[in-house]
Amino acid sequence: DTEVTQTPKHLVMGMTNKKSLKCEQHMGHRAMYWYKQKAKKPPELMFVYSYEKLSINESVPSRFSPECPNSSLLNLHLHALQPEDSALYLCASSPRWGTGNNQPQHFGDGTRLSIL
Amino acid sequence: GQQVMQIPQYQHVQEGEDFTTYCNSSTTLSNIQWYKQRPGGHPVFLIQLVKSGEVKKQKRLTFQFGEAKKNSSLHITATQTTDVGTYFCAGPRSGAGSYQLTFGKGTKLSVIP
Repeated sequence: DTEVTQTPKHLVMGMTNKKSLKCEQHMGHRAMYWYKQKAKKPPELMFVYSYEKLSINESVPSRFSPECPNSSLLNLHLHALQPEDSALYLCASSPRWGTGNNQPQHFGDGTRLSIL
Repeated sequence: GQQVMQIPQYQHVQEGEDFTTYCNSSTTLSNIQWYKQRPGGHPVFLIQLVKSGEVKKQKRLTFQFGEAKKNSSLHITATQTTDVGTYFCAGPRSGAGSYQLTFGKGTKLSVIP
């Protein structure tokens, strides 16, 4: 069982649609992450939030818009996506970010996104 | 940017055989983490190594961090079908103040019963 909950588990959307991915954790972690994972590839970091503030944007296209409403929630708003954006989107959290050594990250089950 | 190179990409073993995956970096790593991702699942944190020459064990899994902190390995003794999955090493990206994790390409382990 994962302590990081992602919804929906699967999403199929057209290129003109607007949708949002949601992530929730109740471990008191103050760092949250979005990763993109293509088949047979490692996770690629997209965004890092630390204490609800965006700390890292890995040059992600603006059609992906992250939001951190509070310390437990992380959203990823999607608009005008392209077929190559089809992938598994993983949310992760860790106690802290940006101090000392990297901390273990707890991943959610992910959202499998298909763009038609 | 920092890359951690991981080999082999695939490994097929007979159940009961041992398995090892290796991770190498061109620069010194402050720490390295290992994750396991089952087919259709998500990465699950296994362990973090911090000290030079560190060796940690979890049941049949043995993790090592090289003396120079540039390489690491994961060794599984007597594999079982439950060990199937992709094993990733992950290290910090190089550069001052960089705390992002960079994942190796992973080693996909198949276990033949």
